[in-house]
Amino acid sequence: SQTIHQWPATLVQPVGSPLSLECTVEGTSNPNLYWYRQAAGRGLQLLFYSVGIGQISSEVPQNLSASRPQDRQFILSSKKLLLSDSGFYLCAWSYGTGTDTGELFFGEGSRLTVL
Amino acid sequence: GENVEQHPSTLSVQEGDSAVIKCTYSDSASNYFPWYKQELGKRPQLIIDIRSNVGEKKDQRIAVTLNKTAKHFSLHITETQPEDSAVYFCAAKPGGSYIPTFGRGTSLIVHP
Repeated sequence: SQTIHQWPATLVQPVGSPLSLECTVEGTSNPNLYWYRQAAGRGLQLLFYSVGIGQISSEVPQNLSASRPQDRQFILSSKKLLLSDSGFYLCAWSYGTGTDTGELFFGEGSRLTVL
Repeated sequence: GENVEQHPSTLSVQEGDSAVIKCTYSDSASNYFPWYKQELGKRPQLIIDIRSNVGEKKDQRIAVTLNKTAKHFSLHITETQPEDSAVYFCAAKPGGSYIPTFGRGTSLIVHP
């Protein structure tokens, strides 16, 4: 069966510090990968998605970046965090082309507080 | 691009009542309509979905209806229970697209 792991679960970072959130998927190959952010009490904002290694599409211009160094690994980074980067970050995957069920499978999330 | 509107933003019901959440979409190419439930502090999880070749789908107390002509779809929960309390998100995804467009969410509160 497929599983998704996301870490860390919680982190508190000072303004201006770097960020690295990591996500890995097991049990499938060539998944589509996504990073979403959810501000308190708000909806799901798509930040980045990737349909293959090294292929990253950015949905929202900001001080965040994403990388996909391996097929089932997706990393969200920032060089200098802003207060507005606080939120609940969710990694997700879906089946790649050819077996497109459409469903997104979310990780358990990383709650980031920037002080 | 696709635009999804979701209403209401908050819905408060008594246990045992029915709850209905409605969404409209703009892109006629959308053919996949999932609904996700997100409990407080948890990840969203798919509870039911429907494709555009089907008008209605049921799973126990949950049902989804789709009207392609009017471009709207709805989630129906019958005999609500306190554990149904959560935020519900609808989404629409065009065929061939990797990206579902989400509604802004509905906070459902079921009072015992």
